[in-house]
Parts: sequence; structure tokens; C-alpha cells
Amino acid sequence: GAVVSQHPSRVICKSGTSVKIECRSLDFQATTMFWYRQFPKQSLMLMATSNEGSKATYEQGVEKDKFLINHASLTLSTLTVTSAHPEDSSFYICSARDTPAVPQYFGPGTRLTVT
Amino acid sequence: GQQVMQIPQYQHVQEGEDFTTYCNSSTTLSNIQWYKQRPGGHPVFLIQLVKSGEVKKQKRLTFQFGEAKKNSSLHITATQTTDVGTYFCAGTAGKSTFGDGTTLTVKP
Repeated sequence: GAVVSQHPSRVICKSGTSVKIECRSLDFQATTMFWYRQFPKQSLMLMATSNEGSKATYEQGVEKDKFLINHASLTLSTLTVTSAHPEDSSFYICSARDTPAVPQYFGPGTRLTVT
Repeated sequence: GQQVMQIPQYQHVQEGEDFTTYCNSSTTLSNIQWYKQRPGGHPVFLIQLVKSGEVKKQKRLTFQFGEAKKNSSLHITATQTTDVGTYFCAGTAGKSTFGDGTTLTVKP
């Protein structure tokens, strides 16, 4: 199946700093990438959808100035959590797909802890 | 907006028992996907259903898509301890919406 990598897998940062998370599709072109947030024992919450070369579409309630998403190529999308605070601590997962008719393939996730 | 309800939220079974999770959408779907997330892991794609009334099998797993393309189910026959995890459905109607998942625990 299609492979999506995510880096870093874990990151601990201090409150007020920014953190960048990378999501890469390794063996297919990801026209669309999705960013999710997952709290313990909860479902996936879609944060934003990004199409290569376009601005990301954010879900209601997600601050676009806080969660900066860049999808500059067909294989790479980045999520930058700016001025992180402890409440931003969570599991962030990206997924990618080539066309709407195919499933999303998920990256392994990034565990962010803000101290 | 589109809503996808998934029940039950939790299911605890004895090894060897069957397990079923159900997914219901508020809108007609173009397709539905099922994913499995092991504890501490990320969702892994299992299958996609597209056609009305479609039934697909993967070994002990049987997936169904309703005639109206608004509901789906995943049935596991004779559960094993390796089946533990959370099973998510994701319904697509323009965009994909995930259900809240059903967490399965299996007692040996």
C-alpha cells in the first residue's frame, strides 16, 4: 500500500515556541493532504485540508494563523504550530491521497507535548 | 453538515466471539472506508466500499455497504487478540467524515 511518513514522531517544546511537523508521501503523489488532531481515546478531528499549490482549507474553529499549513509539492506538506501552548499538546496525524476516489493513507503521527 | 455516527463506542468480547460495529451517515455517501487503529498507532486503511449493497470479505472480516449508501457495518468472526484496536469508518460525501470509532477489546 501507499506509504506516508511523518517527522518528527515525538517532540517536546516549551510554551511560546513554534514546532514544524512534516508529512511526506513516499511512493505516490499526494494531491491532497489532511491534518488531523487526536486526543486520547477520541476520534480524529480534521483540522485542515490542503491541496498542492493552494491555500489550505481550515475546519471551523481551527485557527489558521496558529496552525500554518504549507503544501508546496506533491509529496510534502508541513504543519507549523506557532506559539505553542500546553493545550496544543496532542497527537497530530497527517494523511494523503492522490484522487478523491481513493482512500487516505495515514502517517504514523506526531506526539506533541508543550511544557 | 455531514454527520457519521458509529456504534457501539466500546465492545469487550471473549476471544472467539463475534464482533460488529455499525456506521450511519446523515447523508448519502459516494464511498465509505474502514480503518483500524491499534493502541498507540495510527489509522491503517482496511477497505473501501463504493457500490450500493456491496459486501467485501477479508479473511474473518466482512464489510457491508447499505443499499441506500448511508450505512455500513464491519463484522469480525471469531475474534482474536490481534483484533484489538479502534475501528473507524469514514464516509465520503464531498469530503470524508470519520465516525467516533469503536474500540474493541478481546479477553483471551
